[in-house]
Amino acid sequence: DSGVTQTPKHLITATGQRVTLRCSPRSGDLSVYWYQQSLDQGLQFLIQYYNGEERAKGNILERFSAQQFPDLHSELNLSSLELGDSALYFCASSVGELAGYADTQYFGPGTRLTVL
Amino acid sequence: GQSLEQPSEVTAVEGAIVQINCTYQTSGFYGLSWYQQHDGGAPTFLSYNALDGLEETGRFSSFLSRSDSYGYLLLQELQMKDSASYFCAGPYNQGGKLIFGQGTELSVKP
Repeated sequence: DSGVTQTPKHLITATGQRVTLRCSPRSGDLSVYWYQQSLDQGLQFLIQYYNGEERAKGNILERFSAQQFPDLHSELNLSSLELGDSALYFCASSVGELAGYADTQYFGPGTRLTVL
Repeated sequence: GQSLEQPSEVTAVEGAIVQINCTYQTSGFYGLSWYQQHDGGAPTFLSYNALDGLEETGRFSSFLSRSDSYGYLLLQELQMKDSASYFCAGPYNQGGKLIFGQGTELSVKP
């Protein structure tokens, strides 16, 4: 158990819908990261927040957005869902804002999103 | 560019030693991490190399050569539970962004 929690564990929805994925980082961690893992794309970095502010951005679609709240939990919002958005979505957290040794990223159990 | 390449799959027998290689593009790169992921589970951190050389943690070791843009993960005394996907990942000069390789699926046979 990494200490990172994600809800829900599974989500099944229809195309065109909007969903919200939630992540609570490990106690004391200020950074939250979102990753998407699909069979054909591997683990793709989406976005990072550090202490409430956006720090780094990957190839995140415009239909996707995220935020980190004052209590440091984060939400990833996915809208106008398409079949291709079906994937595992992981949240990770770290103490600092860089990806070096002192800032090991710890991953949550993931949310499996199925778009029908 | 920012990409890492590793073999898609490796097979080895219980008790043996296996090496999983990773090559990367150097633009903005400053270290190499390794993660293990069992089927459908969360990636878990194994090791990080910031400097050239070998880092050892129990049965696992990781090596980095920045001059060759190359690293590897060495797993010794393989056990059945080591069957998993192994990812190399590079932090690049953009916050905490990690770029992952496509993963190497390790199958350990009895």
